[in-house]
Amino acid sequence: DAKTTQPNSMESNEEEPVHLPCNHSTISGTDYIHWYRQLPSQGPEYVIHGLTSNVNNRMASLAIAEDRKSSTLILHRATLRDAAVYYCILSAYSGGGADGLTFGKGTHLIIQP
Amino acid sequence: GAVVSQHPSWVICKSGTSVKIECRSLDFQATTMFWYRQFPKQSLMLMATSNEGSKATYEQGVEKDKFLINHASLTLSTLTVTSAHPEDSSFYICSLVARSSYNEQFFGPGTRLTVL
Repeated sequence: DAKTTQPNSMESNEEEPVHLPCNHSTISGTDYIHWYRQLPSQGPEYVIHGLTSNVNNRMASLAIAEDRKSSTLILHRATLRDAAVYYCILSAYSGGGADGLTFGKGTHLIIQP
Repeated sequence: GAVVSQHPSWVICKSGTSVKIECRSLDFQATTMFWYRQFPKQSLMLMATSNEGSKATYEQGVEKDKFLINHASLTLSTLTVTSAHPEDSSFYICSLVARSSYNEQFFGPGTRLTVL
């Protein structure tokens, strides 16, 4: 899987929007951009994924740059429960097959009350 | 999303014993399950891919005779750590893939293994 680069940590205030960046300059045409988050002592949780267009779901929004070399996960109104490590992962679409994910170090998001 | 359970949630064992960890899909069938492990303050590392009805495939550096994987049904995969040693102490996490084109994975809550 192509490599991603994320800041080690970010801090935000409760009830404010959070923008988590991810660089993936070597992304290939078939790579989907996935975001997962991991709360302390828990398994990761799927957040969102996208290919080219921006995506929204109940948890977050994903903004993908036009050249697809970067993306931003947007939490519209952070709560204390959003404090977690957020992983940006590229995963190639292989026509129905499934591949294990390659986790980087992720971004440790700290939410201040 | 899918609901995935793991049992036990934590286990403490003596060095040299074997430990079995179960990963269950509670609400749909998974043809593929993955096993990861996570050492303290590190990221998850893929150990193996478990396919229902066939042998698991292991990542480089993961001993297949030490980490036995059995994917007996579409809802159950087990990981057995044989002859566990303190260096095997870790957080073991399974995930499964839904029948989707996008490789979204649903993770279990993890099993904390401590080998004394």
